[in-house]
Amino acid sequence: EVQLLESGGGLVQPGGSLTLSCAVSGFTFSDYPMAWVRQAPGTGLEWVLVISGTGAHTYSADSVKGRFTISRDNSKNTLYLQMNSLRAEDTAVYYCAKVQHFFWSGPTFDYWGQGTLVTVSS
Amino acid sequence: QSALTQPPSASGSPGQSLTISCTGTSSDVGYSNYVSWYQQHPGKAPKLIIHEVSKRPSGVPDRFSGSKSGNTASLTVSGLQAEDDSDYYCSAYAGDKHWGVFGTGTKVTVL
Repeated sequence: EVQLLESGGGLVQPGGSLTLSCAVSGFTFSDYPMAWVRQAPGTGLEWVLVISGTGAHTYSADSVKGRFTISRDNSKNTLYLQMNSLRAEDTAVYYCAKVQHFFWSGPTFDYWGQGTLVTVSS
Repeated sequence: QSALTQPPSASGSPGQSLTISCTGTSSDVGYSNYVSWYQQHPGKAPKLIIHEVSKRPSGVPDRFSGSKSGNTASLTVSGLQAEDDSDYYCSAYAGDKHWGVFGTGTKVTVL
């Protein structure tokens, strides 16, 4: 059974930093690209960052470019999201998601975590 | 990269059919056949229901179907059921410049 379990969410002050983790099981982690997708309260989905299976390629949405970093440890089956210079508008539920096929197929996510809430507020 | 345009809401009675549109550009929806649809119930993670325009993952009822014409993709739900009351999002591959984009989302209400 495929499982994705996010952790690390919480309350952080504007300008602060936070690291999210996503522990994965049930498939060969290194074979698949992974992504972080967020959803601000009452709004739609926004993919934030994606990383290839080897970690060699990443893409980020313009809204987080230069502030957020995605990485993975294939030996630990874990995906990470390092968030710096956080803003109020970064408040959202953050989901980790598995890309269904390959990196250049875009945002087709066949498995999702349950999400972790990040609140940026003073 | 702008979000794909979906109608904010749609509704239908049980047993009826309903179609949701997802309009983009030649740089996303029209760029490739990597168009997907997700269903999201309140407080839950999204669920993939259509990929590659019209393919259904295992376990998704055949009441859900997808199609595409030019820069507009569509999701049709035939024989609406109460459990179809949910939010629906489209997504599309946007090439090697922007990678991907989601739609604005449609709230479907089963009357």
